[in-house]
Amino acid sequence: DSGVTQTPKHLITATGQRVTLRCSPRSGDLSVYWYQQSLDQGLQFLIQYYNGEERAKGNILERFSAQQFPDLHSELNLSSLELGDSALYFCASGREGQPQHFGDGTRLSIL
Amino acid sequence: DQQVKQNSPSLSVQEGRISILNCDYTNSMFDYFLWYKKYPAEGPTFLISISSIKDKNEDGRFTVFLNKSAKHLSLHIVPSQPGDSAVYFCAASRSGNQFYFGTGTSLTVIP
Repeated sequence: DSGVTQTPKHLITATGQRVTLRCSPRSGDLSVYWYQQSLDQGLQFLIQYYNGEERAKGNILERFSAQQFPDLHSELNLSSLELGDSALYFCASGREGQPQHFGDGTRLSIL
Repeated sequence: DQQVKQNSPSLSVQEGRISILNCDYTNSMFDYFLWYKKYPAEGPTFLISISSIKDKNEDGRFTVFLNKSAKHLSLHIVPSQPGDSAVYFCAASRSGNQFYFGTGTSLTVIP
């Protein structure tokens, strides 16, 4: 158990819809990272938050947004969903200079 | 632009033999490298890391080698066990912040 909790585990929705993925980091970790893994692809970094502030941005679409709350949990919001957004979305938490610890992911299926 | 590359999508090895997984990177500013292991339906789990001041780090059956001049990283597993069958991701970062992941190598250890 990594200590990182992601909900829901599976999400099925339709094109054009909006969903919210949730992540609770390991106790004591101030950083939360979001990644997207599409079929046969590596982990694509989306965005990092550190103690409530955006720290780094990767290949995140404008239709996607994230935030980290005062209790350090984070949410990734995906809107105007397209078929190509179907993927595994991972959250990781960590401390500076330390390995990240990953949750088990949310599998998003767009029909 | 893929800054971290794992050119072998899959590898099969007999139980008891050595498994060698390879990784190449393009950014000479990367100074911290990690290997993660991923089982189906789970998130990646941290395996071993190495900083750029070293060229080798060992942890039990796992050894990571770093060749900075060649921008090449490898993971050796000796002896390989069936439970090692998983997807292995290498990752690289500059100063432990944003991590760049490879596309993964699927290792199968044959009993």
